[in-house]
Amino acid sequence: KAGVTQTPRYLIKTRGQQVTLSCSPISGHRSVSWYQQTPGQGLQFLFEYFSETQRNKGNFPGRFSGRQFSNSRSEMNVSTLELGDSALYLCASSLELAGVGSDTQYFGPGTRLTVL
Amino acid sequence: LAKTTQPISMDSYEGQEVNITCSHNNIATNDYITWYQQFPSQGPRFIIQGYKTKVTNEVASLFIPADRKSSTLSLPRVSLSDTAVYYCLVGDYAAGNMLTFGGGTRLMVKP
Repeated sequence: KAGVTQTPRYLIKTRGQQVTLSCSPISGHRSVSWYQQTPGQGLQFLFEYFSETQRNKGNFPGRFSGRQFSNSRSEMNVSTLELGDSALYLCASSLELAGVGSDTQYFGPGTRLTVL
Repeated sequence: LAKTTQPISMDSYEGQEVNITCSHNNIATNDYITWYQQFPSQGPRFIIQGYKTKVTNEVASLFIPADRKSSTLSLPRVSLSDTAVYYCLVGDYAAGNMLTFGGGTRLMVKP
């Protein structure tokens, strides 16, 4: 069974631009979560989508948004990029809502975003 | 709010057993304890998960005492390739099922 895939793997943008990242979960998984990882802040939860609905949201500004499609694929968008948005963006999928009982999250390889 | 505390870093040598302990004093009744391994510039990889007592798989063991306020990940006979960051995670039901990663433990395995 194929794992979680993320595209693109690397991205370079300039301040003020916007970016869209894509995540394809493991087949059959209905939940997709997004995380931002930086050396200073570690792994921080952005949001989680389940059945095309945002179920949970972390403490990030409204410039960060996402959506999930009927096939469970998800995209996240960051508008008006700032230098501090440079990070590894990780997507994780799980069968059901992450954190419920023994359901496990499986992570993708991440998208490395650099904002110049 | 379930929160985890782990040592920031640990050193070991090849062939030794490594035990990493995680504290989670506010763990909720329904929370499971999950450990992940992460190499630089890669996504975290699931290692093991448990609810109570002991769980063992092909790569690690997880020991959970009766009060579940801590857990210990045991890696038998580590090799250089086990050098990574290890995260302990518990379900964060207080925040609406949002999982919270702590700072992780950076394990350095030396030859």
